[in-house]
Amino acid sequence: NAGVTQTPKFRVLKTGQSMTLLCAQDMNHEYMYWYRQDPGMGLRLIHYSVGEGTTAKGEVPDGYNVSRLKKQNFLLGLESAAPSQTSVYFCASSTGTGIRNEQYFGPGTRLTVT
Amino acid sequence: GENVEQHPSTLSVQEGDSAVIKCTYSDSASNYFPWYKQELGKRPQLIIDIRSNVGEKKDQRIAVTLNKTAKHFSLHITETQPEDSAVYFCAATTFWGYSTLTFGKGTMLLVSP
Repeated sequence: NAGVTQTPKFRVLKTGQSMTLLCAQDMNHEYMYWYRQDPGMGLRLIHYSVGEGTTAKGEVPDGYNVSRLKKQNFLLGLESAAPSQTSVYFCASSTGTGIRNEQYFGPGTRLTVT
Repeated sequence: GENVEQHPSTLSVQEGDSAVIKCTYSDSASNYFPWYKQELGKRPQLIIDIRSNVGEKKDQRIAVTLNKTAKHFSLHITETQPEDSAVYFCAATTFWGYSTLTFGKGTMLLVSP
């Protein structure tokens, strides 16, 4: 049982390049989330999904797209990377809301955009 | 939407002292308040949570208190140890609907031996 995994762990992009971050979970969770973590800013929600085939915007969605074609996977795409997207990205999953809303985080992806 | 303020941003204590981290929230509909701990270079992990029908909850050396009237909640760590050094995040959400967590900006706790 691997929990939540993220690929890749590190990446350096040039401005304007594109990339996709992959999140996978093996806990059969319905909900999945993408956050970015910047110094002094806490964890900010980018996009989330409440089930296979669904996605919704979070607090900071601009410049990102997501897809949830399979229940266990949640992809985060950057179509044209900008230096402001330099951050650590965390994926998380949970069974649902309320008392079942414990979020299990992946190990993170450190992205640098030059 | 919900707004969660967290203080202080950094906290330094001596081993054995107590540490208190405070959070306030804006949405009176919020009724679930978890705390996450993130060690350096690691992923955040849930350490304790509290629901709005409870005023206090303890788990060994950590406790969380909630004041719904004032819309604030706090994390208390007693007998701190060096391994308590980490960034702590508070969060708030509601039980119902497709609710998501709103996190505070975090508190870096440093426990010196």
